[in-house]
Amino acid sequence: EAQVTQNPRYLITVTGKKLTVTCSQNMNHEYMSWYRQDPGLGLRQIYYSMNVEVTDKGDVPEGYKVSRKEKRNFPLILESPSPNQTSLYFCASSFTSTGSAKHFGDGTRLSIL
Amino acid sequence: QQPVQSPQAVILREGEDAVINCSSSKALYSVHWYRQKHGEAPVFLMILLKGGEQKGHDKISASFNEKKQQSSLYLTASQLSYSGTYFCGTGENTGNQFYFGTGTSLTVIP
Repeated sequence: EAQVTQNPRYLITVTGKKLTVTCSQNMNHEYMSWYRQDPGLGLRQIYYSMNVEVTDKGDVPEGYKVSRKEKRNFPLILESPSPNQTSLYFCASSFTSTGSAKHFGDGTRLSIL
Repeated sequence: QQPVQSPQAVILREGEDAVINCSSSKALYSVHWYRQKHGEAPVFLMILLKGGEQKGHDKISASFNEKKQQSSLYLTASQLSYSGTYFCGTGENTGNQFYFGTGTSLTVIP
């Protein structure tokens, strides 16, 4: 089954404790991206990747890191999380950056105390 | 550049029609439409790639006016299952970033 898998689904943690949210897709998609969703603000792009070893900043990259060592995986790293990063996060993948449908993971609800 | 959606929220009775608009200040290559149910991930509805293109399936269709940098989503004879938040997403003619609008909450009541 074609899917984007995110883990964990829920995480409560404390300020400053490094965490990683994993994202994996099995559709051989070139383009992967991370979004955060906050009430009233829609989905805002954090980082995106055009292909292996090619990543770029989206609209709200501060406080986040990503890597793309393999085509299928695109982890999101918060090295020193802060309360303003409490949000709902989605990973998405697609064949191209803007010309093909995006497939989303189920989301990760992150709470930073 | 984040596209602007209108209206922010709409409440319909079953069987009524709705239009959701999406406009951008940038020249667009593509417009996507997604629906998100509460607590779930956004789900792809359709993509429009050419100016003037119109698409649809079942009773949901969309148009793309490339010159005006606008797209509209049309929901006809709405059903309870249409409830959710609708997002447009835009790809611009330059660059690889993709932007989502702030969403339109649509509620269909019996």
